[in-house]
Amino acid sequence: DAKTTQPNSMESNEEEPVHLPCNHSTISGTDYIHWYRQLPSQGPEYVIHGLTSNVNNRMASLAIAEDRKSSTLILHRATLRDAAVYYCIAEHGSSNTGKLIFGQGTTLQVKP
Amino acid sequence: DSGVTQTPKHLITATGQRVTLRCSPRSGDLSVYWYQQSLDQGLQFLIQYYNGEERAKGNILERFSAQQFPDLHSELNLSSLELGDSALYFCASSPGGHANQPQHFGDGTRLSIL
Repeated sequence: DAKTTQPNSMESNEEEPVHLPCNHSTISGTDYIHWYRQLPSQGPEYVIHGLTSNVNNRMASLAIAEDRKSSTLILHRATLRDAAVYYCIAEHGSSNTGKLIFGQGTTLQVKP
Repeated sequence: DSGVTQTPKHLITATGQRVTLRCSPRSGDLSVYWYQQSLDQGLQFLIQYYNGEERAKGNILERFSAQQFPDLHSELNLSSLELGDSALYFCASSPGGHANQPQHFGDGTRLSIL
């Protein structure tokens, strides 16, 4: 699995968009990019994942750079409930396992 | 509600003891994962099972073992417990156990060793 680098913390205001960056310069062509988040006192929660193209779902959007060495998770309108630790994971796609290797993640604070 | 059920929610025991953590995956999911989260190590992958067979192993101690039963529920056994084993233990499940499938996590079991 490729190593990922994320800022330790970020702040946002409620109802504003949030862009959470992730660098994965050693990513291989078959590594999927996953985002999970962990709210206080809860288990990790799947947010979104993608391989090459940008992805959208009801929770967020994932923008993947053309060279795939970085990606950005976009929360379109942050709410107080979005305050969490966000983990970016580059997972080896051609292996026969879905194990996730978590880093330190980005702690997102949302101000009212 | 992720659909993954872990029991018990809390467990308090003493050093040297043995405990069993249980996980029921989401309906239809064949793969189960176990993770450990401690303050100093963060979230660490322990082991993965797919349809009863071990598929991947991570940083799991020899004192720890796991299995997945025919009904697909899984158990994580921790023995000769040490103070450092105090942590949150999460179970996750996915349909086929591959890299392109989201994992759904349970609420965890908090293990406290006194």
